[in-house]
Amino acid sequence: GQNIDQPTEMTATEGAIVQINCTYQTSGFNGLFWYQQHAGEAPTFLSYNVLDGLEEKGRFSSFLSRSKGYSYLLLKELQMKDSASYLCAVSDSNYQLIWGAGTKLIIKP
Amino acid sequence: ETGVTQTPRHLVMGMTNKKSLKCEQHLGHNAMYWYKQSAKKPLELMFVYNFKEQTENNSVPSRFSPECPNSSHLFLHLHTLQPEDSALYLCASSPLLDGSYEQYFGPGTRLTVT
Repeated sequence: GQNIDQPTEMTATEGAIVQINCTYQTSGFNGLFWYQQHAGEAPTFLSYNVLDGLEEKGRFSSFLSRSKGYSYLLLKELQMKDSASYLCAVSDSNYQLIWGAGTKLIIKP
Repeated sequence: ETGVTQTPRHLVMGMTNKKSLKCEQHLGHNAMYWYKQSAKKPLELMFVYNFKEQTENNSVPSRFSPECPNSSHLFLHLHTLQPEDSALYLCASSPLLDGSYEQYFGPGTRLTVT
């Protein structure tokens, strides 16, 4: 079966760095997405990785290792507004998105 | 308006009611999706439309009936729902039905079945 695993909840301190991991087992791979979802709001796109390596976009970076079935989202200089759920999703061989259950990130002052 | 809009934002309905959820996208996209989001569970893809044609129906019960009259509008018709159908229903769109494109989500309809 197809599976996406990510931690249920993480806590970090304002100004610090946090890494949210995602491991996947899917039938085929056509890219991995990270989305941010604030409580009561729509998910919004953060990043897309299809090749191995690190993609940096401001305070957020996303890493992919296809051979390990592994990705992480790195958030630097954490701000209170970064408190949200972070969703990992993989596009499989049919270009259908398989979603993880999301990681709820709590930022403390 | 811009982006993806959904109405209503909140809906409470009894198990014998019939209601419809509406989604509209102003992005010129050709693919539209319905998702169900329950607490602490992955997003569940329900239906996919590509150029107004339904391409996916992921074993969704017949009490959920989608309709896509054109590439900009998507409806989800609900009838004789069960309490376990209470969830956030999200609509999304993407330029093409290709998993390499990001999906743009609407704010969702919070559905409560009593």
